[in-house]
Amino acid sequence: EVQVVESGGGLVQPGGSLRLSCVVSGFTFSSSWMHWVRQAPGKGLVWVSRITSDGSSTSYADSVKGRFTISRDNAKNTLYLQMSSLRVEDTAVYYCAISDGAWGQGTLVTVSS
Amino acid sequence: QSALTQPASVSGSPGQSITISCTGTSSDVGSYNYVSWYQQHPGKAPRVMIYEVSNRPSGVSNRFSGSKSGNTASLTISGLQAEDEADYYCVSYTTSSTNVFGTGTKVTVL
Repeated sequence: EVQVVESGGGLVQPGGSLRLSCVVSGFTFSSSWMHWVRQAPGKGLVWVSRITSDGSSTSYADSVKGRFTISRDNAKNTLYLQMSSLRVEDTAVYYCAISDGAWGQGTLVTVSS
Repeated sequence: QSALTQPASVSGSPGQSITISCTGTSSDVGSYNYVSWYQQHPGKAPRVMIYEVSNRPSGVSNRFSGSKSGNTASLTISGLQAEDEADYYCVSYTTSSTNVFGTGTKVTVL
């Protein structure tokens, strides 16, 4: 069974930083593109970032470009999202997703003073 | 990176068929056969129902089908059941090597 588990969310002040992690099991992690997707409370899904299977190529939504960095460690079956210069509008549940596959349950990031 | 356009809500009676549209542009839906559809029940993580326009992952009912014409993709649910009541989102790859989600559609089973 494929399992996707995010961690690292929490409360952070505006301008602060946070690193999210996502561990994948039961799946050949190194063969799949991976994504981060977020959902603000009561709102729709918003794509955040994507990384290719070998980590050689990344892509970002305009709203996070220059502030967020996606990376992966295929030896640890782990995906990361380093978030800096956080804004109130970054408050959301952040999901880790296998491309066209399973998603985790999400981790809540709250940006507030 | 404007969101793809979906109807805010669609409803149908049990046993009926409904179709949800997802309208983009020639820079996303119209350029690739990389359109997926996700189902999300309240408080739950999204689940992929269709990928690459019309492919169904194992375990997804064959009552769900997808198609595309030009810049518009569609998800059809046939034989509507109470458990199909949920939010549905389309997502497409874009010519900027990004992805973009649709605005979401709430499906109500009457």
